[in-house]
Amino acid sequence: DAKTTQPPSMDCAEGRAANLPCNHSTISGNEYVYWYRQIHSQGPQYIIHGLKNNETNEMASLIITEDRKSSTLILPHATLRDTAVYYCIASNDYKLSFGAGTTVTVRA
Amino acid sequence: SAVISQKPSRDICQRGTSLTIQCQVDSQVTMMFWYRQQPGQSLTLIATANQGSEATYESGFVIDKFPISRPNLTFSTLTVSNMSPEDSSIYLCSVGTYQRGYNEQFFGPGTRLTVL
Repeated sequence: DAKTTQPPSMDCAEGRAANLPCNHSTISGNEYVYWYRQIHSQGPQYIIHGLKNNETNEMASLIITEDRKSSTLILPHATLRDTAVYYCIASNDYKLSFGAGTTVTVRA
Repeated sequence: SAVISQKPSRDICQRGTSLTIQCQVDSQVTMMFWYRQQPGQSLTLIATANQGSEATYESGFVIDKFPISRPNLTFSTLTVSNMSPEDSSIYLCSVGTYQRGYNEQFFGPGTRLTVL
C-alpha cells in the first residue's frame, strides 16, 4: 500500500463543512483511496472510497486530484457525532494499512 | 453490511496467562482479519484468518504468540498467549467483502485487554 500523510488533528464548527486532506504521492494506478473513521471506543467504520473520479454517498464526498497524488474527504455538515479519528488508506488488495489518521473534533 | 460480535468485550488478565477472543459474524464471509490497537496508537494488522488452513501472519507477529483458528466462514478466535503488560491493547476482528465491487471491511467492537 502507498504511504498516506494526513494532518494529525483539526477542529471544525458544528454545521460547517469539514475538509480533510490526504497526501498519497506514491499511489499506484490500481490503488483505491479508502476513508474510514473510528469513533472513540468503537471499531473503524467505512466511509467512502474512490479510484479516479470524485465520489459522494450519504456520509461524505471524496475529491481526488487529477494526478491522484492527493484527496480530500468532505463532511458537508459536520455534527458533534462526527468527532472521530479519520483514516485515509491507499490499497489495491484486501489488506488495509492504517496510518495515524486525523483526529477531528467538531465543536458546538 | 455484516454484523460482528466479539467476546469478551474486555478482560483483565495476569501476566503469563492466555486469553482467547472470539469473533462471530452474522453471515458467511471469505476474509477475516485480526488487528491490534495499542493505547493511543493506530490499528496494526496481526493476521488474516483463513478458513480451513493456517492463518497468514504479518511481519512481527507469530503463530506461537497469537494462534488463530477459523473453523468456518462465520467464526474465528484469536489467542493471546503467555501475556505480558505489553500485550495490553484493543484487539479487533474485521471481515472483508467485495459484495459491492470493492474492498469494504466491517469491524467488530473490539476486545479491550489489560495485562497486569
